[in-house]
Amino acid sequence: KNQVEQSPQSLIILEGKNCTLQCNYTVSPFSNLRWYKQDTGRGPVSLTIMTFSENTKSNGRYTATLDADTKQSSLHITASQLSDSASYICVVSGGGGSYIPTFGRGTSLIVHP
Amino acid sequence: DAGVIQSPRHEVTEMGQEVTLRCKPISGHNSLFWYRQTMMRGLELLIYFNNNVPIDDSGMPEDRFSAKMPNASFSTLKIQPSEPRDSAVYFCASRRTSGDTYEQYFGPGTRLTVT
Repeated sequence: KNQVEQSPQSLIILEGKNCTLQCNYTVSPFSNLRWYKQDTGRGPVSLTIMTFSENTKSNGRYTATLDADTKQSSLHITASQLSDSASYICVVSGGGGSYIPTFGRGTSLIVHP
Repeated sequence: DAGVIQSPRHEVTEMGQEVTLRCKPISGHNSLFWYRQTMMRGLELLIYFNNNVPIDDSGMPEDRFSAKMPNASFSTLKIQPSEPRDSAVYFCASRRTSGDTYEQYFGPGTRLTVT
């Protein structure tokens, strides 16, 4: 069964600090992995998307890494800001023509001043 | 572009009533997805359409749920009869099937409360 596990479930950090969120998956075959940011009361917004051949991708202060061999990904947030407080969701899509994504439960990040 | 548009944004109804959620995808996108999000289960894919045709509805929880896409610019998700356990946020998302590496764009969601 395809699964995406995220850790930690929740995280509280001080403004200006860095943090790293983890995503492990069992989806096979693999097509792509995406990280979404979901603010409270809004729909998810894509941060990064990586295919099999990519092992790192940045979007401003967000840097995602992918190790397709160990089926792990991380999202690193540098110099956190209050606006980074949100839920971060890891989504993995399978290959072989399947469009069905598998969602992680998300990591809830709270940035305190 | 206005993005994916969903209506209503909030819906409160009594158990047993019919509920219809609406979605207008981004113009030019040919795939549309309906998701449900709850605290307990996170985001779940209910059904997706490609070129207005339902491709996979294995996520639809039961026969009380139905979805239609009569044309490329409109889709509905209907629950009849509604039950309290259907309370959730329902998201619609759309994407193109070429060039975007399967990037999906989500609407703002409809928060459904069934009492």
